[in-house]
Amino acid sequence: NAGVTQTPKFRILKIGQSMTLQCTQDMNHNYMYWYRQDPGMGLKLIYYSVGAGITDKGEVPNGYNVSRSTTEDFPLRLELAAPSQTSVYFCASSYSYGSYEQYFGPGTRLTVT
Amino acid sequence: GENVEQHPSTLSVQEGDSAVIKCTYSDSASNYFPWYKQELGKRPQLIIDIRSNVGEKKDQRIAVTLNKTAKHFSLHITETQPEDSAVYFCAAINQLIWGAGTKLIIKP
Repeated sequence: NAGVTQTPKFRILKIGQSMTLQCTQDMNHNYMYWYRQDPGMGLKLIYYSVGAGITDKGEVPNGYNVSRSTTEDFPLRLELAAPSQTSVYFCASSYSYGSYEQYFGPGTRLTVT
Repeated sequence: GENVEQHPSTLSVQEGDSAVIKCTYSDSASNYFPWYKQELGKRPQLIIDIRSNVGEKKDQRIAVTLNKTAKHFSLHITETQPEDSAVYFCAAINQLIWGAGTKLIIKP
């Protein structure tokens, strides 16, 4: 099992550019999550999904979009990147909702300049 | 809105001593309380969790206690070792809200 994988590991974007962060899990988990972690700070939930075709907003969804067409994949789209989106992005998955361990990917370090 | 407060933000203890980190949550319907450890440059990983029908859970040197009435839960690490140095996070409200993290420093 590879677990949760994310690509790319690092990315530098110019202001106004767009990109998609990829996340894939091979544990057949229905639940998937996207977080951002600013330097020295905690995790903020951006979006989550309870299954293919179903997504919902977390604490900080503005400036991001997600889709979930398969159980395995949960890409995060940044449109019109801004310096405030400079952060480390973690994808996670869990067997079920709420009271189950979340398994995290290795993260994507994004810088917007 | 719902929130989770975690204290302290930084904790420095002598190797071999104990460390305690506390989280307070706002939603009385929360019923699952995990603690994750994040080493420098790594991803968060679950180290211990507790459900609302239990008051305490232990796993070797780490333990979590829960006070549902007061809406707080704590992580206890005994006989701290250098490898315990990391940032620790709590979460509540179906893990949708996370604490800001505690940086634990173990002094040799």
